[in-house]
Amino acid sequence: QKEVEQDPGPLSVPEGAIVSLNCTYSNSAFQYFMWYRQYSRKGPELLMYTYSSGNKEDGRFTAQVDKSSKYISLFIRDSQPSDSATYLCAMSLIKAAGNKLTFGGGTRVLVKP
Amino acid sequence: DARVTQTPRDKVTEMGQEVTMRCQPILGHNTVFWYRQTMMQGLELLAYFRNRAPLDDSGMPKDRFSAEMPDATLATLKIQPSEPRDSAVYFCASGHGLAGTDTQYFGPGTRLTVL
Repeated sequence: QKEVEQDPGPLSVPEGAIVSLNCTYSNSAFQYFMWYRQYSRKGPELLMYTYSSGNKEDGRFTAQVDKSSKYISLFIRDSQPSDSATYLCAMSLIKAAGNKLTFGGGTRVLVKP
Repeated sequence: DARVTQTPRDKVTEMGQEVTMRCQPILGHNTVFWYRQTMMQGLELLAYFRNRAPLDDSGMPKDRFSAEMPDATLATLKIQPSEPRDSAVYFCASGHGLAGTDTQYFGPGTRLTVL
């Protein structure tokens, strides 16, 4: 079993719908949680990060962390075709770009016009 | 606009050949990561360096893979000899090795096909 599990999808939604993504993890020592977006034939780019449990909002994106359940979520409101991409969750023990991340397998999202 | 660069973008080779992938991290970043991405395994960390010294290469098959940083502006990943199972996209990422920073910047990747 992988340390971080993520449904591969694909997840297909109509434009304007809410996209709901999630990851579960097994290592309770993870403290920092990130969501990366990856377009086809591109490298992942950081969307959001959160520390410990709680919510964080940035524009149309909301990240949630529930450490008691070892479960994290990303919501995309008012989804656009440009949101079509693969979304990867990532986790680390400490907050530093110089430290190793453990990634989920990614969920492919398709937003249809 | 600072970014991580990788060469080549695509590489097709035959089994048994040596493959060298290169990465130029963002200027000033002192930590460099090599990842491999496949459909089956997702994104896996192969190795990473801080201040050019290897910190962790436990994700890398030691018998055929090697990673180095000849200088602060260049990281290399070599596979010798290559095998079909090495076919994947290889990403380099860089970041600051400082607590409190949160972003690893990824390059565009090298898509490797071993026939």
